[in-house]
Amino acid sequence: EPEVTQTPSHQVTQMGQEVILRCVPISNHLYFYWYRQILGQKVEFLVSFYNNEISEKSEIFDDQFSVERPDGSNFTLKIRSTKLEDSAMYFCASSGESRRATGTEAFFGQGTRLTVV
Amino acid sequence: DQQVKQNSPSLSVQEGRISILNCDYTNSMFDYFLWYKKYPAEGPTFLISISSIKDKNEDGRFTVFLNKSAKHLSLHIVPSQPGDSAVYFCAASYAPEKLVFGKGTKLTVNP
Repeated sequence: EPEVTQTPSHQVTQMGQEVILRCVPISNHLYFYWYRQILGQKVEFLVSFYNNEISEKSEIFDDQFSVERPDGSNFTLKIRSTKLEDSAMYFCASSGESRRATGTEAFFGQGTRLTVV
Repeated sequence: DQQVKQNSPSLSVQEGRISILNCDYTNSMFDYFLWYKKYPAEGPTFLISISSIKDKNEDGRFTVFLNKSAKHLSLHIVPSQPGDSAVYFCAASYAPEKLVFGKGTKLTVNP
């Protein structure tokens, strides 16, 4: 069964350092997303990406964040200068055709636990 | 702002009985609702969804009910099994690319 894969599973970084979280979405999917979950809190939307550009982003997704699809298979989230409050579980997700057309849902990866020290 | 609310942080039921998980929302623009299940150290897994043009959707042991006038949806699991023990997230959407999640309800099904 196709799945979304994320690497690494756990990343520890020093405050102020840049970090790149990597994701390989399901191959025929068109929409890509990043969500995060701070420990004990709800899953929060960060950004969605379609047709090689950001289609929507939340207020959390400030200038410190960027996303990229450097090739046909990877989708990355970069945090330029990490802060302690960036510590969270980051989930990548992907979906197929617009769910309005086909009702497809977002499929999530296992997550990357980011710890900023 | 909590546009999607799951007011019960936890629920415990006996194996074989019905589990009812509730979710309320405030944004009347939402037109698509989903339930995700999450095990520890794993990503959310899609369970079942419902469009706002329907009031019920059933898939095996799982049924989602939508009451638009009350801005309320619920997930029924019957019969409940120990393997159903997980955190269940309600999510809603009014745009194809964005899901708004509730905080989750931890379901424990006791053998």
